[in-house]
Amino acid sequence: GAGVSQSPSNKVTEKGKDVELRCDPISGHTALYWYRQSLGQGLEFLIYFQGNSAPDKSGLPSDRFSAERTGGSVSTLTIQRTQQEDSAVYLCASSSGLETQYFGPGTRLLVL
Amino acid sequence: RKEVEQDPGPFNVPEGATVAFNCTYSNSASQSFFWYRQDCRKEPKLLMSVYSSGNEDGRFTAQLNRASQYISLLIRDSKLSDSATYLCVVHTSGTYKYIFGTGTRLKVLA
Repeated sequence: GAGVSQSPSNKVTEKGKDVELRCDPISGHTALYWYRQSLGQGLEFLIYFQGNSAPDKSGLPSDRFSAERTGGSVSTLTIQRTQQEDSAVYLCASSSGLETQYFGPGTRLLVL
Repeated sequence: RKEVEQDPGPFNVPEGATVAFNCTYSNSASQSFFWYRQDCRKEPKLLMSVYSSGNEDGRFTAQLNRASQYISLLIRDSKLSDSATYLCVVHTSGTYKYIFGTGTRLKVLA
């Protein structure tokens, strides 16, 4: 079956612009995660969605970052007024609650 | 102290060698453990879960030592295609957070 998909695969933007990153989880997966991975670094947790519950936003690095998940499926991560330090790979993962996470291919964001 | 710690490597080994990585975790309440593999510029992919009794999948063996709070991954008969970064992941049941180590880089040399 289809895995987790993300778009765009690459995004180059200018400092100060807003960007939107999209994640389509595996169908039927109720849990959805966003992570950030900077070059040579580990995965940094950003936000978690579970079903219709309120998301855990505790990992978002600043109020420029926000995310939503519509209809319990597709999620969008928005970064406003991008900064150069936002450059990273943004990874989305979904889970059925049986503990194993499946990752999408990521969006590589470069802020010039 | 980080919640999950790994030796970043790189581990450079010749083809056919046996190599082992350890990963330590600090939360004694952790209950689920995984090894993920991440190739350069790719997403992490599940390699194997780690069970209390230890488990094997072909050339790969994973073990858990709860008393000392570490998990290990053993790779036998290394292949060039095993070259990747291996991420240790720890999960506490009843929570949703997965804690990732920063990974151990393996290079298998011809």
